[in-house]
Amino acid sequence: EDQVTQSPEALRLQEGESSSLNCSYTVSGLRGLFWYRQDPGKGPEFLFTLYSAGEEKEKERLKATLTKKESFLHITAPKPEDSATYLCAVLTGANNLFFGTGTRLTVIP
Amino acid sequence: NAGVTQTPKFQVLKTGQSMTLQCAQDMNHNSMYWYRQDPGMGLRLIYYSASEGTTDKGEVPNGYNVSRLNKREFSLRLESAAPSQTSVYFCASSERRVWGSEKLFFGSGTQLSVL
Repeated sequence: EDQVTQSPEALRLQEGESSSLNCSYTVSGLRGLFWYRQDPGKGPEFLFTLYSAGEEKEKERLKATLTKKESFLHITAPKPEDSATYLCAVLTGANNLFFGTGTRLTVIP
Repeated sequence: NAGVTQTPKFQVLKTGQSMTLQCAQDMNHNSMYWYRQDPGMGLRLIYYSASEGTTDKGEVPNGYNVSRLNKREFSLRLESAAPSQTSVYFCASSERRVWGSEKLFFGSGTQLSVL
């Protein structure tokens, strides 16, 4: 059964304290893995797409990496404005897109 | 630069009432989608329209109907609302439904409560 699991559910960081969010998946034939950011009361906003193990993408303080079983979203020296819920989604070989339940990140000044 | 616009933002219905959620995009995208988001669950696809004139069921289509009115607009209708349809609904669009390069643009959501 195709499954996407994000951990932790919630994460509180001090400003400047680097950490990583995890997205583990078991799907048949991964075609792509997506990261989105969602602010309260808003729709998700696209961040990255990763296609194959070993691939990395960066944007400002965020770096996404992909292995055959999981993806990490590394946040370096986070700022309060990085507070949001981060969603990952996986695209299966059958062209189904499954979203995880997200990690709610809070960065404290 | 509006992107994807959804109306209304909030709605309260009684069980059995009907309503239509409206969605419009101004990015000239071919594909449009309706998702629902519930606590403890990931976004789930209700219906999608790969291109103007076509619609297909997603993961949770029961109790919903859709209309792709034109390239810009994609509406979601609840014919007889049930408490299980209490959720936050998101409309999204993408340039084309070629999975693998999909970058979805989401609206800001409609919070629906069915009493």
